[in-house]
Amino acid sequence: KQEVTQIPAALSVPEGENLVLNCSFTDSAIYNLQWFRQDPGKGLTSLLLIQSSQREQTSGRLNASLDKSSGRSTLYIAASQPGDSATYLCAVSNTGFQKLVFGTGTRLLVSP
Amino acid sequence: DGGITQSPKYLFRKEGQNVTLSCEQNLNHDAMYWYRQDPGQGLRLIYYSQIVNDFQKGDIAEGYSVSREKKESFPLTVTSAQKNPTAFYLCASSIGGALAKNIQYFGAGTRLSVL
Repeated sequence: KQEVTQIPAALSVPEGENLVLNCSFTDSAIYNLQWFRQDPGKGLTSLLLIQSSQREQTSGRLNASLDKSSGRSTLYIAASQPGDSATYLCAVSNTGFQKLVFGTGTRLLVSP
Repeated sequence: DGGITQSPKYLFRKEGQNVTLSCEQNLNHDAMYWYRQDPGQGLRLIYYSQIVNDFQKGDIAEGYSVSREKKESFPLTVTSAQKNPTAFYLCASSIGGALAKNIQYFGAGTRLSVL
């Protein structure tokens, strides 16, 4: 059974820092991996999707990498801003029909 | 505006009562999903539907029921058999099919509490 773990559970940094969020999964036979952002009391917003054949995806200040063989993904946020404060969730799919398995998230606080 | 609409935003259930959460999408997506989110836990899949008139159980389907009579609608009923229904419920949709780039889009959620 696929299990997804995210470390750290919470992170507090000053504005401007570059930071890395980690995601690990137990079954490396994934179809794709997604990173989401969730603001308090809100739904999820998809940030990046990495297909199993890819090693990284970039969107603006965000860069996500995937190492299937080691069961790991990282989300790199450059030059963090207070508006980046949210919970970041990682999810993997072992099939093409998008049955996602989620991690418990990393709660990020960026202070001015 | 294209998107996913969940209603109501807040819902209260009395003991022994069934309640229904609404989810409507105008993205023309084939696939729809219901997740439950508890504090300190990740999202868990309740039910999903890959196409109209078809749905499958997820990991925690007990005490819940769904229907998919229209492409744009996927209502979730929390039955009296669900003994711990207090949670944040999220609906999502995606294009569907076995696609590697099959992003899920989420609604704003419904928070269900027990009176």
